[in-house]
This record gives sequence, structure tokens and C-alpha cells, in this order.
Amino acid sequence: DVKVTQSSRYLVKRTGEKVFLECVQDMDHENMFWYRQDPGLGLRLIYFSYDVKMKEKGDIPEGYSVSREKKERFSLILESASTNQTSMYLCASRSPGTGFSLAKNIQYFGAGTRLSVL
Amino acid sequence: QKEVEQNSGPLSVPEGAIASLNCTYSDRGSQSFFWYRQYSGKSPELIMFIYSNGDKEDGRFTAQLNKASQYVSLLIRDSQPSDSATYLCAVIGGTSYDKVIFGPGTSLSVIP
Repeated sequence: DVKVTQSSRYLVKRTGEKVFLECVQDMDHENMFWYRQDPGLGLRLIYFSYDVKMKEKGDIPEGYSVSREKKERFSLILESASTNQTSMYLCASRSPGTGFSLAKNIQYFGAGTRLSVL
Repeated sequence: QKEVEQNSGPLSVPEGAIASLNCTYSDRGSQSFFWYRQYSGKSPELIMFIYSNGDKEDGRFTAQLNKASQYVSLLIRDSQPSDSATYLCAVIGGTSYDKVIFGPGTSLSVIP
């Protein structure tokens, strides 16, 4: 079974703190993603990474950065946490298929980190 | 127009009934479609995927795809209280092959 592990289920941080959210996958997937999920807004893509040291901005990258030094690990960084970054953060990984190899386009999600910024 | 739209619900059905969840998408070139189930406080888990027009059945779940009308639906037969969750529709392909677009989700409540 694919396993995507997020380091923390719950985090409470103060405004202005630097926050690291860690995600590790054990399936040698090339692609990894960070989303945030808020009531009424659904899943929104923050950043994604096609492979090691590669990253692309998603729909809402402002206030965030990422790091992918090893294939299995994708970190989300809040440089200076703000209250509007209080949210559920979800990491996902995927092995991209060639053509339309559908099964390989499935995203597998971690359990999520609920972050509260006070 | 949002890229992937779903009725937010909540959709309430009695136990044993058929629950019908609908999703429409704007990119006519979209190729692959996924349904995820998300329990409250949990992460999404894949239920089904479909890429060909028509129906795909897996146990009590049936996904239906109509590319001409740009909609995909999920039918849940013999609904159980354990099916109560938010169901996310996801679409991939079209103008951005690698990008998965999630809908906002439909909340389903199965009443015993």
C-alpha cells in the first residue's frame, strides 16, 4: 500500500513564526503536492514538485515556499505564519503515467495537518 | 466559471436509497475523472476513476461519464450511514495534463 506520512496531525503556532510541514512517501513517486483545504473553498493547490529539486507554483503560493531535496520528502514552509494560514494542509504524491495510464495518475493523500496560527 | 463544479449539498438520502452525486467540468479536453471520499477530519481517499464514456461499476458504486455534456456522476446504491461523507470530483488532462482540478465537494448524509 502507498503510504504518505505527514509529520504532525495538529500544530499550533504563533503569528510570525517560521513553520515547517513535512511529508514523506514510500512509493518512489516522482510527483508530490501540497494543498490547503478550507470550508467552502475546497482543495487548493499551493505548490507541486515534478521531481527532486523541481517545484512549480500552484494556485495560491503566496506566503509559502517548498523544498524537495530527496525524492521521498516534500516540505512546505511558512516563512512568517499569519492567522489567515490557519487551515488543514494535505500532502499528496503521484506517479505520473505515460500517455493516459490512468491508474498511475491517482493521487494518494497523507492524513493531513491541521494548523492553527494564533 | 469554475473549472469543476459540484452541488455543495448537503444531500440527504434515506438508508437503502440511491445517492446521486453530480459533477460538471469546463475543459472539454479533460481526459480522466476521479471520485474521492472524504470523511470529516480525514484526508480524501480514492473511490473510483473513469476515462471512457459510459458507466463503470465497482460494488455499490457506479461512475458515469458523458464527455459530450461534460459531466461525470457517482451513484451509490443501497446507501449506508457509513457512506456519509464529502465526495470530491477531480478532473485531469485537457489544457494541463498534469494538473488535477478538484471540485468543492458534495456533502452526503445517509439517514438511518
